[in-house]
Amino acid sequence: EAEVAQSPRYKITEKSQAVAFWCDPISGHATLYWYRQILGQGPELLVQFQDESVVDDSQLPKDRFSAERLKGVDSTLKIQPAELGDSAMYLCASSLTANYGYTFGSGTRLTVV
Amino acid sequence: AQSVSQHNHHVILSEAASLELGCNYSYGGTVNLFWYVQYPGQHLQLLLKYFSGDPLVKGIKGFEAEFIKSKFSFNLRKPSVQWSDTAEYFCAVSGNTPLVFGKGTRLSVIA
Repeated sequence: EAEVAQSPRYKITEKSQAVAFWCDPISGHATLYWYRQILGQGPELLVQFQDESVVDDSQLPKDRFSAERLKGVDSTLKIQPAELGDSAMYLCASSLTANYGYTFGSGTRLTVV
Repeated sequence: AQSVSQHNHHVILSEAASLELGCNYSYGGTVNLFWYVQYPGQHLQLLLKYFSGDPLVKGIKGFEAEFIKSKFSFNLRKPSVQWSDTAEYFCAVSGNTPLVFGKGTRLSVIA
């Protein structure tokens, strides 16, 4: 079964440092999403891509977060500088078309110390 | 804006008990509805989804959900839970926007 690949699986970083997460969606999936899941809560959308274009980044804290999907395939989410409140699970998901069933990756667990 | 409410934060059941997890959403248009499960240490997995047609949807592992449009509800059910069903369950809805998730319900099944 095809999977969404994410790396690293775990990341510990110090406050004010930069951190980056990588996601490789299922081949052929045009739509890619980054979600953040704080412990004990449901995932919340950060950004949605359709191919290489950002469709929705209204919930992305743009002063410190950035996301790109340069060739419309894999994607990188960056935080600079990291803050204590950024500690969470960062999930990537992809789908064939927007708002169809999503496939989620295993996530990157970020701890900011 | 769409929102999803899951009324039960933590449910504890004995094995073989029946399960019903509540989910209500707010959105006036056509919706797609989903239930995802997250087992300890694992990623989110799709249990079932509703797009249209028969409002009673059957998913994997014996789960089912019923879409009741008049109540804006999409409750998850299973007639007899097993210890292996211990997990976090998330209801989600998409209309004309990406998936919006509820806060989740933690299910603990005890022997």
